[in-house]
Amino acid sequence: TQLLEQSPQFLSIQEGENLTVYCNSSSVFSSLQWYRQEPGEGPVLLVTVVTGGEVKKLKRLTFQFGDARKDSSLHITAAQPGDTGLYLCAGDDNNNDMRFGAGTRLTVKP
Amino acid sequence: DAGVIQSPRHEVTEMGQEVTLRCKPISGHDYLFWYRQTMMRGLELLIYFNNNVPIDDSGMPEDRFSAKMPNASFSTLKIQPSEPRDSAVYFCASSLDRNEQFFGPGTRLTVL
Repeated sequence: TQLLEQSPQFLSIQEGENLTVYCNSSSVFSSLQWYRQEPGEGPVLLVTVVTGGEVKKLKRLTFQFGDARKDSSLHITAAQPGDTGLYLCAGDDNNNDMRFGAGTRLTVKP
Repeated sequence: DAGVIQSPRHEVTEMGQEVTLRCKPISGHDYLFWYRQTMMRGLELLIYFNNNVPIDDSGMPEDRFSAKMPNASFSTLKIQPSEPRDSAVYFCASSLDRNEQFFGPGTRLTVL
């Protein structure tokens, strides 16, 4: 059982569409990170959210941390083929254990 | 900075052989992590070090796996003896504050 549940597991969309992926847990996290991993490479850190309700924007990507710090979402506006990859969330729970979700595999078709 | 460096990038070996994976973290980073990634199990934390000291090795699958960090710029992950089920991509990552991790390119291990 994953401590961090990510959904959907797979997502295939056309270029220009918007999408949202989710990272949920029953645990409270002191902070939560989002990473993107492209084939053949290691994950690359996109953002860290720390405060409940926090919203961070990175160009067309919008990250939100839930008020209770148990969940997070990533919204991509006008997706491009370059956004294709595996999106992973990771967090430090109250037991000080670092966990990764299983990821959402996004494909953006031209 | 060159980022986290891992070697080799690919390793093919036969069951029963010893495998050693190497990692050079980013200079100045106090934390070093070893992960294993498979399609079935995703990204799993094996062990992490803080200031060269192993902090949590609860993710190490069994006694066949061992990891060392003799100094701040080098770490190894050893599998002895290797088994086909150890086939995976092994990542090393380093960080300043444990949370924001910088990953290496990974070592793709195939055990025949």
